[in-house]
Order: sequence, then structure tokens, then C-alpha cells
Amino acid sequence: NAGVTQTPKFRILKIGQSMTLQCTQDMNHNYMYWYRQDPGMGLKLIYYSVGAGITDKGEVPNGYNVSRSTTEDFPLRLELAAPSQTSVYFCASSYDGNSGLSYEQYFGPGTRLTVT
Amino acid sequence: KNQVEQSPQSLIILEGKNCTLQCNYTVSPFSNLRWYKQDTGRGPVSLTIMTFSENTKSNGRYTATLDADTKQSSLHITASQLSDSASYICVVSRQTGANNLFFGTGTRLTVIP
Repeated sequence: NAGVTQTPKFRILKIGQSMTLQCTQDMNHNYMYWYRQDPGMGLKLIYYSVGAGITDKGEVPNGYNVSRSTTEDFPLRLELAAPSQTSVYFCASSYDGNSGLSYEQYFGPGTRLTVT
Repeated sequence: KNQVEQSPQSLIILEGKNCTLQCNYTVSPFSNLRWYKQDTGRGPVSLTIMTFSENTKSNGRYTATLDADTKQSSLHITASQLSDSASYICVVSRQTGANNLFFGTGTRLTVIP
């Protein structure tokens, strides 16, 4: 299994540009997540999905959009990029997240985004 | 307010020495607590997961403890190796739902020869 894969690894955007961060998992996990990690800060949840066709906002959703048309893919869309979106973005997945007890999240390698 | 606080922020130790990282939380109602290791430029990788009834859990040279009464956890690393250099993140899950994970800011451990 490749686990959770993310592309691209690095990207530089100009203010106002748009882009899509790709995330794919091959573990048949139903739950998928997008986080951002700013220097010296904990991971913050942007959006999550409990299954294909279902998405919901996390703690910091403004400026982002997601879709979940398949179990495997969970792309994150940035519209009108702003310097405040400079961060490292991590995608993660887990199985049956709603069981609540001991599910494990698997993280991708991250995408480092700089908006100038 | 649901929070996870980790200490110290950073730590430097000599190879072969032991160390202990701390995590205090105020997340309620508590479901489970995890410790992750995050190498520079990589995503976090799970080390241990503990539920309310578990006091200790080991994963090789890593041993995590949990005191659910005082809402404290520790991660003890024995006989440190250079490859232990990483950030260690404490994550506390509140019961139910996917939007119920609270992340600490991590402890940056550097092991020097």
C-alpha cells in the first residue's frame, strides 16, 4: 500500500491565484481530513469527510473548499490565495472514525505552500 | 476550553540518555490520547493510542503513560538514538465525531552524539 499520498510537495503561489492540493489514500478508509500546520503551532483541521459525497467544516475552513466524489480522493481547493494561507498542509485518513475509541490516523507527507 | 499543552517546547539530549515529555489536557469528555512522532518534512506517525482505562502503553523504546484523573500523559524515551530527533505531538480525542481531535504544539527533541 502507498498509504496517503499528496501532490505537489512544494508550491509557490502569487496572491489571488488558485490551486488544488491533491490527496489520495489506498487503504479504503472512510474518513479523510485536511490540516494545516503553521510554524510552532499545532495542526488545525480545515475540512473533513466521513465518506464519499459528505464533507464538513473543521476549525479553519475559510478560503478553502473540498470535495469527496470517491472514497480514495479528497482534494483541497484554494481560491484567491492569500499570504495567510502560507503553511504546510497535511492530508490524513482513518477507518470508521466515528467509533471514537482507538482509530488511528495516517498522514500524508505534506504540501509546503508559500503565497507571496 | 478544550486544550492540549505540551512541555518542554524543545529538548536536547545526548545519545543513549533517557527523556520524558509531558502532555496536559483539558479535553472533555475524554475518549483517547495519542502520541505522534513527526520527522522534519514528514507527516506525523502514530506511536501509541491510549483509552481511558489504559495507564501505560509501550512501543519499543517509547512508553506512554496516562493519568486520566489528573489529565496528564507522558512519553518516556529510553536509550535515545539519533533517529529519535523529531517533534512529538500529543493528540487528545473527545468522544464521538471526526472533528474532535485536539493537537498539542509538540516537543522538538534533538538527540546529539
